[in-house]
Amino acid sequence: QKEVEQDPGPLSVPEGAIVSLNCTYSNSAFQYFMWYRQYSRKGPELLMYTYSSGNKEDGRFTAQVDKSSKYISLFIRDSQPSDSATYLCAMRGSARQLTFGSGTQLTVLP
Amino acid sequence: DSGVTQTPKHLITATGQRVTLRCSPRSGDLSVYWYQQSLDQGLQFLIQYYNGEERAKGNILERFSAQQFPDLHSELNLSSLELGDSALYFCASSVDPHPTNEKLFFGSGTQLSVL
Repeated sequence: QKEVEQDPGPLSVPEGAIVSLNCTYSNSAFQYFMWYRQYSRKGPELLMYTYSSGNKEDGRFTAQVDKSSKYISLFIRDSQPSDSATYLCAMRGSARQLTFGSGTQLTVLP
Repeated sequence: DSGVTQTPKHLITATGQRVTLRCSPRSGDLSVYWYQQSLDQGLQFLIQYYNGEERAKGNILERFSAQQFPDLHSELNLSSLELGDSALYFCASSVDPHPTNEKLFFGSGTQLSVL
């Protein structure tokens, strides 16, 4: 079993929809949680960074962490075609190397 | 643009060969990370260097090696290449002294095809 599980999708939604992306993990030592966005043929780009449990909002993006359930989510409000990309969750404990989910491919249809 | 530069963008080679991938981190970043991304394994951490010293090792094969030079650029050497080594290789960099502020910035990757 992988340390981080992420539904690969693909996920297709109409423009303006609310998108929910999720990851579960098994390592209780993970404390730092991130979401990266990766466009085709590009490197991952950091979108959200949270420490421990709770919510963090940045514009149309909200990251949620529930450490008790070992579950993290990324919500995208008013989704746009430019949001079409692969979204990777990533997390780590005290060690610096990240463990990534396999990514969810999102397409927002105009 | 993340500020991390990777060369070459594409590399096609044959089994058994050796290649070198190069990475220049963002200005001011002391830490360099190498990741391998393949369809079946996702993004896998290989190795990290900080200011010229190896800091952490992940799932890096013995046929692979890396180093970070005094000017902070890094090279990933892949030898005795196999078909299964075909993947996208990413370099990332960070400032790295403080864990809670650490954020990785990725380059655009080197697509390696082993034929």
